[in-house]
This record gives sequence, C-alpha cells and structure tokens, in this order.
Amino acid sequence: GQQLNQSPQSMFIQEGEDVSMNCTSSSIFNTWLWYKQEPGEGPVLLIALYKAGELTSNGRLTAQFGITRKDSFLNISASIPSDVGIYFCAGQAYRGSTLGRLYFGRGTQLTVWP
Amino acid sequence: NAGVTQTPKFQVLKTGQSMTLQCAQDMNHNSMYWYRQDPGMGLRLIYYSASEGTTDKGEVPNGYNVSRLNKREFSLRLESAAPSQTSVYFCASSGRTNTEAFFGQGTRLTVV
Repeated sequence: GQQLNQSPQSMFIQEGEDVSMNCTSSSIFNTWLWYKQEPGEGPVLLIALYKAGELTSNGRLTAQFGITRKDSFLNISASIPSDVGIYFCAGQAYRGSTLGRLYFGRGTQLTVWP
Repeated sequence: NAGVTQTPKFQVLKTGQSMTLQCAQDMNHNSMYWYRQDPGMGLRLIYYSASEGTTDKGEVPNGYNVSRLNKREFSLRLESAAPSQTSVYFCASSGRTNTEAFFGQGTRLTVV
C-alpha cells in the first residue's frame, strides 16, 4: 500500500514556540488532511487541502499542500498547552472514487511545557 | 450532534471469544471504515464500505469480518479473538467525495 512518512515522531516544546511537522508520500495524492487526536478520543479533522500549492489556515494552524503533490506541512504558531496531542497526516490518491481510501502517517506526538 | 457513535467503549475478551463492535453514523455518509490503532503504528485500515451493500478489505483484514447493515450502520466482528487483536478500534465515515473522514471515539479492546 501507500507509504506516508510523517516527521518528527515526537516534539517537546515550550509554550509560545512555533511547531512544524511534515508528511511525505511515495505516490501523488490529490487530497491531504491533518487530524489531531487527544488522549482517549478519536482523531478530529483540523485542515483539508485539495490543490497543489494550497495554503490553508485554521486559527494558529497553517497547512500546505506541496507542489509535488507528494508532501504536506503543518505549522502551529505560538503553541499553548491545549495543543498537546498526536497529529496525523492523511492522504487520498483518488478523490471521488469508491476506491478513495485514506492513508495515514504514524503521527507526531506533541508535548507543550508551560 | 452525535456524528459517529461506537459501542462498546471498552471490552475485555478471553482468547477465542467472539464479539461484534457496533458503529452508526447520522451524517448520511456513503462510506464507512474500520481502523485499528496500535502504539507507533498510526491508523491501519481493516475494512471499508464505499456504499451500502459493498465491503472491501483494507491493510489488515485477517481475523475480522464486517457487515454494512444499512447506510447508517457498519459492524466489525471478531470470530475468535487473539491477543494480537488487542488494540483501539475506530470507526469513521465520509461523504460523497470520500474525503474528510469523521471518527468515532473508539473502542478499547483487550484480549487476554
């Protein structure tokens, strides 16, 4: 199946710092999604990207769909303690097709120290 | 706003027992999915259903069966549980464009 490489695997930062994480794939994707998972909960969608080069923000979060269509980036500015969680990237190769399943990265565990 | 509802939330099984995990969505979505999440492994697709009446295997289908009972409900069955099936199971659904999957809160299953 498709391989998504998400990095870094974990991050330990201080409150107020900016965070960057990225995801790369071995194949071209038409859709990139970023999810956050808090302890004991299911993943929650943060940002969806549909076009190469697209840059989308959601509050302090900004995500970009890479030009090559094989990567995506998520930035969190001015981190706060409630940003703690696991962030997953997900990609879909065949948007609109019944075979358009999502492939997930292994996640970035974010810890924010006050 | 129920979204995707999974039952039960927690379950302990003995090796060899069977059980069915239930999932229902109220968003009128066509596609539904079952994932398992293990530490450091991300989310791995077990089975998915692109529409009512169809099901397909994902990455890790062995030891599982599914039923798309109707448009709302998608169940996952373990016929003979094994310790390797200890995991957190998530159900998800997505709309017509098959993007933006929405997840339930998960079922934490332990097989002893």
